[in-house]
Amino acid sequence: GAVVSQHPSRVICKSGTSVKIECRSLDFQATTMFWYRQFPKQSLMLMATSNEGSKATYEQGVEKDKFLINHASLTLSTLTVTSAHPEDSSFYICSARARTGPRGQYFGPGTRLTVT
Amino acid sequence: SQELEQSPQSLIVQEGKNLTINCTSSKTLYGLYWYKQKYGEGLIFLMMLQKGGEEKSHEKITAKLDEKKQQSSLHITASQPSHAGIYLCGADGSGNTGKLIFGQGTTLQVKP
Repeated sequence: GAVVSQHPSRVICKSGTSVKIECRSLDFQATTMFWYRQFPKQSLMLMATSNEGSKATYEQGVEKDKFLINHASLTLSTLTVTSAHPEDSSFYICSARARTGPRGQYFGPGTRLTVT
Repeated sequence: SQELEQSPQSLIVQEGKNLTINCTSSKTLYGLYWYKQKYGEGLIFLMMLQKGGEEKSHEKITAKLDEKKQQSSLHITASQPSHAGIYLCGADGSGNTGKLIFGQGTTLQVKP
């Protein structure tokens, strides 16, 4: 149980285009999902908190107009990187917190974004 | 703001040896998570500790949270090559919001 998937696992896009990353909780409902970013050989940095049915809350320094988050259902959150630039290249990981039961937090396998 | 300090930053052990990784917080921890990550992959949930003095075990891995809830340790008994990876401690320092901050990670290599 407690499986979180991300799609795509890898994406390469050209500078100026937008990329959408999906995060799904496969076997549990998650009212809250989190988006993290990880640079090579560094730890994870929280970008934003995604709440089902309401606006996402962003951490300080994260541009909400650049990183659009939608939490359409209790099992799906999407992150759209708009007008991507090479400096947006990174490893993006989502996590989901179960709505009921043990409040463990489970992570997806991550999405490697490369902007050329 | 809360910070997590992990030690050591990297560790190389011979297969079969025991090892311990420490995670120290600058503030009281409301929840402490241990994860394992292979480079370029997602995080595998190992354990979550919430109560002072709590100890949990899974297979050959044991995690403890001290009574003051500011320090946690992860102990691996009889290490195997499959234990190799990056171990991250994460803490929910803001009152069970689920927002985790992470330590810088400990890279473990196990030599056969």
